[in-house]
Amino acid sequence: EIVMTQSPATLSVSPGERATLSCRASQSVSSNLAWYQQKPGQAPRLLIYGASTRATGIPARFSGSGSGTEFTLTISSLQSEDFAVYYCQQYNNWPPATFGQGTKVEIK
Amino acid sequence: EVQLLESGGGLVQPGGSLRLSCAASGFTFSSYAMSWVRQAPGKGLEWVSAISGSGGSTYYADSVKGRFTISRDNSKNTLYLQMNSLRAEDTAVYYCAKPLMTTVINDAFDIWGQGTMVTVSS
Repeated sequence: EIVMTQSPATLSVSPGERATLSCRASQSVSSNLAWYQQKPGQAPRLLIYGASTRATGIPARFSGSGSGTEFTLTISSLQSEDFAVYYCQQYNNWPPATFGQGTKVEIK
Repeated sequence: EVQLLESGGGLVQPGGSLRLSCAASGFTFSSYAMSWVRQAPGKGLEWVSAISGSGGSTYYADSVKGRFTISRDNSKNTLYLQMNSLRAEDTAVYYCAKPLMTTVINDAFDIWGQGTMVTVSS
């Protein structure tokens, strides 16, 4: 089973600043990597798939990069609605699909 | 509009059973593999099980193998999860999730239901 490790666990950022979230896979997942946003009491929302492709309706301030074992989600200028928990997920070596433990982006 | 709506959650004693349902609408249900993903209170996401579009292939996480059974009724556009021998550690919100692409079982999930809470406690 591939283990996904996200860092940091919590990221404190001021509105308007850039946020950079990391996700590392225990072995290569090629570009089969997705990012999700989850707000309290809500289901996860797909942001990025294929490591760098934005899902339908996702603002351009969200971008993904990386391949193999190292991945990054960047939020270029944080808006108030972006404060949430973010998860990465690999779907290359399956089953099981595996998720990272999450990064909470909070207001500084 | 593409939608998934789960139901069937509730409070059950350890060792008990529960069947979850997920009603799908707005897309050709039979063309998509479907998955269940759960989230324990205050914890992260855990993939639980998946089933191919035809229902002929099923997959399970080791943590539920032998206790949970995934199935689907394509005539009713509904996904199921039969959960037996429930344990306290099965307590979670259970989501059904649809993959981006048809015919692909290992994919990102672009549509999620709102979730149904399962609590296993005496």
